[in-house]
Amino acid sequence: QVQLQESGPGLLKPSETLSLTCAVSISSDHWWSWLRQPPGKGLEWIGEMYHGRGTHYNPSLKSRVTLSVDKSKNQFSLNLTSVTAADTAVYYCARLQSYSVDVWGQGTTVTVSS
Amino acid sequence: EIVLTQSPGTLSLSPGERATLSCRTSQSVSGSYIAWYQQRPGQAPRLLIYYSSRRATGIPDRFSGSGSGTDFTLTISRLEPEDFAVYFCQQYGTSPPMYTFGQGTKVEIK
Repeated sequence: QVQLQESGPGLLKPSETLSLTCAVSISSDHWWSWLRQPPGKGLEWIGEMYHGRGTHYNPSLKSRVTLSVDKSKNQFSLNLTSVTAADTAVYYCARLQSYSVDVWGQGTTVTVSS
Repeated sequence: EIVLTQSPGTLSLSPGERATLSCRTSQSVSGSYIAWYQQRPGQAPRLLIYYSSRRATGIPDRFSGSGSGTDFTLTISRLEPEDFAVYFCQQYGTSPPMYTFGQGTKVEIK
């Protein structure tokens, strides 16, 4: 049973960079993804990465997002620059399979406030 | 970008009743790219249906998915108390590659 665990700072100031990591056993057979959900709202896909093969980003966030994998540490990471209050959300790391999200982390809450 | 519109916004039903949730896409899509999720309060979403009609591992057979083209449906044949939650549909697009979600349908106890 694959389990995913997000970690990172819960509070950021506007213009700072959000950095989150996800502990996971990175396999070469899956795409890995980050998604987020603002309070009381729906789900937004941030991007996906296939270790050693490619990365895709949501066009609306592409200029601020970087995904990376450190296979030696079994970590999948998200960097989001120049955050604003609109980036306040629960952030999920996830595994993709069959064009769907089949495994979700429990989520970590990130608040952007001055 | 393909837009997903779910209806109704809220569905008020009693345990034991049948729930029919709709997801309409702004352009015709392959059924292979449609999935459905359940989200209970304070929890991460859970995959119910992928490839528009295949149940994910461990999902009870009272959940079923159907549809094609621009109209997709999630049906819960007989609502159990634990089924009262929010449901999201999701589509995978290829140009550019990305996942988009509907705004959700809340199934509440009547």
